[in-house]
Amino acid sequence: AQKVTQAQTEISVVEKEDVTLDCVYETRDTTYYLFWYKQPPSGELVFLIRRNSFDEQNEISGRYSWNFQKSTSSFNFTITASQVVDSAVYFCALGEMDSSYKLIFGSGTRLLVRP
Amino acid sequence: DTAVSQTPKYLVTQMGNDKSIKCEQNLGHDTMYWYKQDSKKFLKIMFSYNNKELIINETVPNRFSPKSPDKAHLNLHINSLELGDSAVYFCASCCAASGQETQYFGPGTRLLVL
Repeated sequence: AQKVTQAQTEISVVEKEDVTLDCVYETRDTTYYLFWYKQPPSGELVFLIRRNSFDEQNEISGRYSWNFQKSTSSFNFTITASQVVDSAVYFCALGEMDSSYKLIFGSGTRLLVRP
Repeated sequence: DTAVSQTPKYLVTQMGNDKSIKCEQNLGHDTMYWYKQDSKKFLKIMFSYNNKELIINETVPNRFSPKSPDKAHLNLHINSLELGDSAVYFCASCCAASGQETQYFGPGTRLLVL
């Protein structure tokens, strides 16, 4: 069964702290993609990253980094030196080739960064 | 240069009415989707079209009917609106080529049924 679990419902940190958002997925497909999207208070869904199932290389983009581990079916997202503008709901999602890449979303993690 | 646009952004209507939401993408993508985000922020796929052909139809009431006049447009028509239809509806598009399977989302349409 396809499933994405984001166990952290809400996280609150003080500005400049590092924070990691967890994502665990379940799939029977061998070809799939994992995504992170950001939903700020304004409501739009902003694409952050895509990783395919054959590429376990970790990625860093500025203050953002992602750790993909197939062995534990996890795709975690770390924000270094968090800022107030990082406050948003973050969604992890799974797209499977056999399902026409429809996205299965996790329930989201609300991140609040306090000044 | 909006990539995926939706109209209207807000929609307030009475129960029982029929309404449509329009979506357009200028990314040259072949596949478009409709997702529903409920009051708890949970996002779920509703439909998908590839080159005007319906390829995904989740267990959505048949009061919801998608229509794709061409691959750049995917509209959503909802008949006999119910209170439970209140949600944010997101359109998304994907994939100009294999290996670029990223879905880009429109700004959302906030539907409130009274």
